[in-house]
Amino acid sequence: QKEVEQNSGPLSVPEGAIASLNCTYSDRGSQSFFWYRQYSGKSPELIMSIYSNGDKEDGRFTAQLNKASQYVSLLIRDSQPSDSATYLCAVRASGGSYIPTFGRGTSLIVHP
Amino acid sequence: EADIYQTPRYLVIGTGKKITLECSQTMGHDKMYWYQQDPGMELHLIHYSYGVNSTEKGDLSSESTVSRIRTEHFPLTLESARPSHTSQYLCASSEVTGGREKLFFGSGTQLSVL
Repeated sequence: QKEVEQNSGPLSVPEGAIASLNCTYSDRGSQSFFWYRQYSGKSPELIMSIYSNGDKEDGRFTAQLNKASQYVSLLIRDSQPSDSATYLCAVRASGGSYIPTFGRGTSLIVHP
Repeated sequence: EADIYQTPRYLVIGTGKKITLECSQTMGHDKMYWYQQDPGMELHLIHYSYGVNSTEKGDLSSESTVSRIRTEHFPLTLESARPSHTSQYLCASSEVTGGREKLFFGSGTQLSVL
């Protein structure tokens, strides 16, 4: 079982819609959760981090965390074509090296 | 704004050659990482470092080495390149604030081994 699972997509949504990206993880003791955006041919950039259960909002982005279900999601409201990218979920281990583990990412396509 | 630099941006090299991928950051970060990423796949951890003279192996470390003689510099060396090493190599450093960590990535090195 992979440590961080994401649906590779592509997820296609119309401009202005809400895009919902999901991620599950296997390490029940994980404490830190991150969403990175990666444009084609570019390196990942951090867009959201979340550490406690519930929702965290930043502009058009909302991260949701449910530790009991080992589930973290990213909602993008009013999706724009410029949001088209691969979104990587990363989870930081609960012990040992505390190194972030990445999922393979979900490709999002926002069409006009 | 993150200041982490990787060179070269692209590298095409023959099998058996020794290569070093450079990574430097000017932010004074202690923790640094090397990841390997194939298209549509996860980032796989190759090596990481907690600071000067600290290096640790990740999942894909067996065919490469790293060094951390200075805080700002974390080069990755492949002693004998093989076609299976063809991939994108990403270097990152992290900022820890209030116990919370944020990774900054370099632009990456796209390596092709013929």
